[in-house]
Parts: sequence; C-alpha cells; structure tokens
Amino acid sequence: AQKVTQAQTEISVVEKEDVTLDCVYETRDTTYYLFWYKQPPSGELVFLIRRNSFDEQNEISGRYSWNFQKSTSSFNFTITASQVVDSAVYFCALSVSPGATNKLIFGTGTLLAVQP
Amino acid sequence: GAVVSQHPSRVICKSGTSVKIECRSLDFQATTMFWYRQFPKQSLMLMATSNEGSKATYEQGVEKDKFLINHASLTLSTLTVTSAHPEDSSFYICSARDSLFSFETQYFGPGTRLLVL
Repeated sequence: AQKVTQAQTEISVVEKEDVTLDCVYETRDTTYYLFWYKQPPSGELVFLIRRNSFDEQNEISGRYSWNFQKSTSSFNFTITASQVVDSAVYFCALSVSPGATNKLIFGTGTLLAVQP
Repeated sequence: GAVVSQHPSRVICKSGTSVKIECRSLDFQATTMFWYRQFPKQSLMLMATSNEGSKATYEQGVEKDKFLINHASLTLSTLTVTSAHPEDSSFYICSARDSLFSFETQYFGPGTRLLVL
C-alpha cells in the first residue's frame, strides 16, 4: 500500500527563521514521483516541485530546498529565512505507476504559520 | 504556463438543486483531469478521474449518479452535483495533467466553495 505521512500538523516560526517540513512515504514500487504543493488561505494548490525516484539529488530553488533520501523514504522541505508570505498549508504527495492512471496520494498537510 | 481555472469560485444554492462546476486547462491540453473534495483543515480526497472522451473513473464510495462528470474536450471537464444537500457543502478542486509535457505533474485549479442551504 502507498502512504504519505506528514507528522507535523502545525508549525509556528518567527520571520527569518529556517523551518523544515517532514515527509515520509511508503511504497513498494520502484518507479514513483514525489511532490510538494503549497495551499495558501485562498485555497489554490501551488505546485512547488516534482522529484522522481531515480533522482536523489537535492534541489534548491531560492529560499526553498528539498532533501530526498530513499534510504529513509523521506522527502523533506526546508524554507530558509521564512517570510510571512510562506504561511500556508504544505502538502507532500506521492504518485506511483506513472502513466495513464497515476493518482496523487496526499499527506495530511502541515500548517505553517510565520509570525512577523 | 500550466494554468487551470475553475468556475464558479463560490456558489450558494438551495437544497435539491444541481450545481455545475467547470474546470479548464488554459494553456495546455489535458486528456486527464481529477476532481477532489476537501473538508476544512483536511487533506484532499480524490473523487474521480476524468478522461477525455470516455467515462470517468470514480473512487470507492463516491456516487457516480450524484457527482456527474463530463470531459468533452481536451481543455474542459465539468462536475455536476445533482440534487445537492447540505452535506455536499465543501471545497471542490480540480487538477489537470499536461498531455504532452510534465505528464506526471498535476496542476490545480483555484477551487470552488459550495454551500448548500
């Protein structure tokens, strides 16, 4: 069975702090994709990153960075120098068997509150 | 690129009426679209997978006669909530996959908030 666990339900930080959002996934498939989405209060899900199971290179995009470790089945997301605009719910998701029917399996989300 | 729109963004209706929600991929073709439902402070629950030119595939427990899905073109899928009741009040959000590029990535619309009185 496939599963995504985001153990942190809520995180509160003060602006300019670094924060890491954890994501642990379960799958027996060897080919899969991992995603992070941001859902601000407006409700729209914003795509942040996609990573396939064969690419374990960490990625950095501005203040965002992602650490993918297959050995621990984790795909953690770090925001450096957090800003109030980063306040949102962040979802980690897993897609297995890429192709016509690949569904996204979402974690329960982490609510990040960045205080000024 | 990869913009998905939804209309309406918010709708209030009386119990017993039907409500249609549109999901459009604005700058790409989408042979597959997905419909989700999200309750407050919860994750997204996949309702159905919409396939262009064929019948939608519903998830277990989702009534296909209650939630009618039509995907008549490569850029438009519609979800109709038939005979809506207060328990159908929720946030409905669609997503679309680019048929040609970034096939594995789902791009989401802004969502539709439905309130049934």
